[in-house]
Amino acid sequence: GAVVSQHPSRVICKSGTSVKIECRSLDFQATTMFWYRQFPKQSLMLMATSNEGSKATYEQGVEKDKFLINHASLTLSTLTVTSAHPEDSSFYICSARDPSGLELDEQFFGPGTRLTVL
Amino acid sequence: GENVEQHPSTLSVQEGDSAVIKCTYSDSASNYFPWYKQELGKRPQLIIDIRSNVGEKKDQRIAVTLNKTAKHFSLHITETQPEDSAVYFCAAEYAGGTSYGKLTFGQGTILTVHP
Repeated sequence: GAVVSQHPSRVICKSGTSVKIECRSLDFQATTMFWYRQFPKQSLMLMATSNEGSKATYEQGVEKDKFLINHASLTLSTLTVTSAHPEDSSFYICSARDPSGLELDEQFFGPGTRLTVL
Repeated sequence: GENVEQHPSTLSVQEGDSAVIKCTYSDSASNYFPWYKQELGKRPQLIIDIRSNVGEKKDQRIAVTLNKTAKHFSLHITETQPEDSAVYFCAAEYAGGTSYGKLTFGQGTILTVHP
């Protein structure tokens, strides 16, 4: 299947700093990528839909000025957590579909980024 | 928007027994229903999926059934093994319009298979 990578896998930062997380589709082009957040012992919650060449679409309750998304190319989407606070500590996962793949509905997930804000 | 309810939240079985996890969804326009297995600290792993034009799908020890009228779908694992222990999530997707590709996840089921 298609491969999605994320970087970094783990980041620890101080409160008030900004953190950038990269999501890359390694062997396919993705016009759309999705960003999820997963708190400990909870489910995945969709934060936003990242669209190549246009503004991201945010889910209700997600602050677009705090979680900046840039999808500048067909293989890269970035999520920047601005002015991070301890409550932003979570597991952030991206996903994408391979439009050229055999299974058009299947989403491929990145390995996730564990963010810890001190 | 879509709402997915998953039950039970925890499930404990003996090795060799069957396990069943059930989900209901609210949006009748949803047409793709994947199931994921997630181990601690790892990404969700697709184990089986079903589309709305199919009522049942099986892959070795794993099967999924879908009842569109009742808007519920279930995961069945037979002959469970200790390595099946993980968190399982169901999801529903409305693959059309502006919501294309958005997955709504259930709350998750912690499955424990005792040797």
